[in-house]
Amino acid sequence: LAKTTQPISMDSYEGQEVNITCSHNNIATNDYITWYQQFPSQGPRFIIQGYKTKVTNEVASLFIPADRKSSTLSLPRVSLSDTAVYYCLVPYSGAGSYQLTFGKGTKLSVIP
Amino acid sequence: DAGVTQSPTHLIKTRGQHVTLRCSPISGHKSVSWYQQVLGQGPQFIFQYYEKEERGRGNFPDRFSARQFPNYSSELNVNALLLGDSALYLCASSLGSLSGGEETQYFGPGTRLLVL
Repeated sequence: LAKTTQPISMDSYEGQEVNITCSHNNIATNDYITWYQQFPSQGPRFIIQGYKTKVTNEVASLFIPADRKSSTLSLPRVSLSDTAVYYCLVPYSGAGSYQLTFGKGTKLSVIP
Repeated sequence: DAGVTQSPTHLIKTRGQHVTLRCSPISGHKSVSWYQQVLGQGPQFIFQYYEKEERGRGNFPDRFSARQFPNYSSELNVNALLLGDSALYLCASSLGSLSGGEETQYFGPGTRLLVL
């Protein structure tokens, strides 16, 4: 299981770009990197997933350097509604099962 | 398209009782996973089922069990409830094709269980 490390918390002002970096030093060759967003008392919401270089969708971008030992989630122009916990995950997909191992995530607070 | 649905949304039980939580996956998804999330922590993996077979199990006691039905819906059962079982129980569905690590799990809203 590839462990991930990310900051416990971050603050940002509305309208700014937010970058949350996650380290996953022992990521395996076939592993993907996945990010989820979670609001209090709700299920995690899938944001983005990537394997290498850059992935972009309608809500975020994910930057993965060549060595894949880290990744950065970029949220453009955050608003108050982006205040949530963000989880970086490297899903375990061995031994016939697919598991997500969550850490404590990064609590993002967006300030007006 | 309907997302993952879970029932009930909230539940209160007393110690020693039994509880059954239910989950319906996204249409076309054949795999269901269960997670427990205690307040202030990230979700912890309990089980994964695919095509009615258990595919993975986390580090939970035998009081926790689950099953998957032919329509791919799933139940999580917890016997002899303890105070520490109070948590948000999350169900996630996925295609189940296990295309390397590219499989994506989509979560339901969860069932909030309170054990008194």
